[in-house]
Amino acid sequence: GQSLEQPSEVTAVEGAIVQINCTYQTSGFYGLSWYQQHDGGAPTFLSYNALDGLEETGRFSSFLSRSDSYGYLLLQELQMKDSASYFCAVRDRTGGSYIPTFGRGTSLIVHP
Amino acid sequence: DADVTQTPRNRITKTGKRIMLECSQTKGHDRMYWYRQDPGLGLRLIYYSFDVKDINKGEISDGYSVSRQAQAKFSLSLESAIPNQTALYFCATSDGLSTEAFFGQGTRLTVV
Repeated sequence: GQSLEQPSEVTAVEGAIVQINCTYQTSGFYGLSWYQQHDGGAPTFLSYNALDGLEETGRFSSFLSRSDSYGYLLLQELQMKDSASYFCAVRDRTGGSYIPTFGRGTSLIVHP
Repeated sequence: DADVTQTPRNRITKTGKRIMLECSQTKGHDRMYWYRQDPGLGLRLIYYSFDVKDINKGEISDGYSVSRQAQAKFSLSLESAIPNQTALYFCATSDGLSTEAFFGQGTRLTVV
């Protein structure tokens, strides 16, 4: 089976930088994704890492270390609108197919 | 119009009743998923389908059934609803080996 660990809550102030970590255990690992969800709305895709290293998309960056089974999402220049839940998700080879499996989510609270 | 549409958006039903949640998509994706979200538990996979003739159980399929009526439609049924099935339900789609899943707006189900 798969397991993902991420902190349940992170708080930061507007303008700061915050890092949300994710560790995973899975067989047949293919890649790590990050999703954002506001107040029970639809989760939306942020980024995907299949190879080690940092992927940057505007204020958001995502990092992966396959050897450490670890990744993180880095949010820079935090804005109030970044207050949301963030989920890491692994794509792994389950039964010969690729199924996205999600962590429990990290609630990010941005203070003024 | 949304690419992935779930109906109803909200539903209150009584214990023991049969209820169907519907999902339709206009993205042309072959893969469709049903997830359940409970506070603090993230998104847990109920069922998934890779094409019209393919149905697979996910992590928490007990008490649920699905039907893939067409490539664009994937319905989730609760044969006899119970209060601990009260949750937020999401339908999602993806395309083959795509790294991104697209979610509907969710159905908030309350079983009383």
